[in-house]
This record gives sequence, structure tokens and C-alpha cells, in this order.
Amino acid sequence: DAKTTQPNSMESNEEEPVHLPCNHSTISGTDYIHWYRQLPSQGPEYVIHGLTSNVNNRMASLAIAEDRKSSTLILHRATLRDAAVYYCILSGFGNEKLTFGTGTRLTIIP
Amino acid sequence: DAGVIQSPRHEVTEMGQEVTLRCKLISGHNSLFWYRQTMMRGLELLIYFNNNVPIDDSGMPEDRFSAKMPNASFSTLKIQPSEPRDSAVYFCASSTSTGLLSGNTIYFGEGSWLTVV
Repeated sequence: DAKTTQPNSMESNEEEPVHLPCNHSTISGTDYIHWYRQLPSQGPEYVIHGLTSNVNNRMASLAIAEDRKSSTLILHRATLRDAAVYYCILSGFGNEKLTFGTGTRLTIIP
Repeated sequence: DAGVIQSPRHEVTEMGQEVTLRCKLISGHNSLFWYRQTMMRGLELLIYFNNNVPIDDSGMPEDRFSAKMPNASFSTLKIQPSEPRDSAVYFCASSTSTGLLSGNTIYFGEGSWLTVV
């Protein structure tokens, strides 16, 4: 399975943008890039996913490098409720299961 | 719409007892995943079903663990006999199989918190 590399932890001030990086240099052409997050004492929840183009939704934006070997999850204005572990995961044809790594623990500073 | 429903939410049991965790998929979903989360090992995929058929059970730790889908909307994860090292949060998740191939999401339940003493 193609692997992803994320920083173990990041901090950000409340109401500022947050850029969470992910490296996936062995991504295959059919792999989608998924981001999930896990709030304390809850199950993981979907944030966003993309294949090649940048994506936006109400929660976040996903910026995908042109060579697809890295991506960045962007939270435009962090709130305290965004404090969570963020997971970057690859899946697609032939790799349908989602295999979670250790993720990035995001701390929001009031 | 109801999400993935897991039961029990919390269970404390004695070593050696049988534990059964239950999961109801989201209506219309046909892929089912069981995950286990511990501080030491993080979030691990135990087994994955598609259309009631186990596709990948390589994450099932040992023969004490078994998972079934008696019908298209329901699954059980059984541990017999249970051991203290099985203490963890067990998550069930569901999706559509075609959705996975096209990058759609999987939806997690709130987890079953198991403590084996």
C-alpha cells in the first residue's frame, strides 16, 4: 500500500489559517487522497478528498501538488473545535481499504 | 439519515468471557470495515467486507477474533475468549463499494469502548 508521511503534531492560533502537509511520493495514478480527522473520544470523520485538482468544501480545502506526491489540507480559519488528529490516507482501485497512519495532532491555541 | 450504529458503546468484561460487538451499516452501503484503536498501535484495520463477503482479514489478530455479516446491513465482531490486551476502542465503518473505487468516503460509528479486566 502506498504510504503517507505527516508531521506528528502542529499548533495554530485560533482564527488563523492552518496548513497541514502530507507527503505521498509512492502514490499510484488511481489513488485518491483522503483526509479524515478524529476529534477526542469520537470516530474518524471525513474531511475532504481529491484526485488531481484542488478541492474545496465547507470544512476545508485540499491543495494537491502537480506531481501528486504531496498535498496540503487547509483550514481557512481554525476554531477550537478543529483540534483533532488529522489523517492523510490514500485509497483507490486495488487499494480500497483505508489504512490509517499516525496522523497529525493539531492543537489550536486560543 | 442514521449513521453507522454500534453497540454496546461501553463494555467491561472479565478475562475469558466472550464479547460480541455489533454494527448496523448505513442503508444502501455494502462495504463494512472493523477497526481497532489503541494508544500503542493507533487505528488498525481488522477486517473488510464487501457484499457480505470478507475481502481482507489480514488484520485480525488471532483466532480468538471472528467477524460475520449475517445479512447485508448488520455485522458482529466476536472475541472469545477475551484477554486484557484486547482492551481498545472498536470502530465499525461502512461505505459503498463503488464509492471506494471512485474515492468516496467511509462513515464511522462512534465506537465500542471495550475493557477486559
